[in-house]
Amino acid sequence: AQSVTQPDIHITVSEGASLELRCNYSYGATPYLFWYVQSPGQGLQLLLKYFSGDTLVQGIKGFEAEFKRSQSSFNLRKPSVHWSDAAEYFCAVGPHSGNTPLVFGKGTRLSVIA
Amino acid sequence: DAEITQSPRHKITETGRQVTLACHQTWNHNNMFWYRQDLGHGLRLIHYSYGVHDTNKGEVSDGYSVSRSNTEDLPLTLESAASSQTSVYFCASSDGSRWEQYFGPGTRLTVT
Repeated sequence: AQSVTQPDIHITVSEGASLELRCNYSYGATPYLFWYVQSPGQGLQLLLKYFSGDTLVQGIKGFEAEFKRSQSSFNLRKPSVHWSDAAEYFCAVGPHSGNTPLVFGKGTRLSVIA
Repeated sequence: DAEITQSPRHKITETGRQVTLACHQTWNHNNMFWYRQDLGHGLRLIHYSYGVHDTNKGEVSDGYSVSRSNTEDLPLTLESAASSQTSVYFCASSDGSRWEQYFGPGTRLTVT
């Protein structure tokens, strides 16, 4: 069965510092991969997605993620964090074929300090 | 602009009552999903639908039901609300040929 692990429950970074949020997945084939962000009291918003091709994908708000098949990872990065990036971040995996719903990780909460 | 809406945004109900949460999307998406979000558990799938009259159980479907009579709506019903169903509920939709989901703003349900 598909599964997604986000090892870090909570991360705190200083404003202007770089950020990397980890995501590892378990899936028998190449999956579709997603990162979502949830601001307090809001629904989830898609940051970026990987379907195929270039393993480094760019998203909104200056985020990028890199798919590494050998490590079954899809880590999210941002070179310089802004206070407005404080939110909950979810990684999700979906099938490359078939018709099963996305599987979400449990999320990583990002705090940004001055 | 296309959107997905949920109502009510906040609901307080008593144990044993039947509650229905509404979800309406104007994306014309075939796929619709219901999740609950609880601290420490992330998002857990309750029910989902891939089209009119299609419904499927997710990992935490006990005590919940859905029906899909048109493309735009997937109401979630709690047959007899329990305190364990106090949660934030999110509806989402996606196109049948792509997998990114679009989420509603959520409904905070409190069962007393």
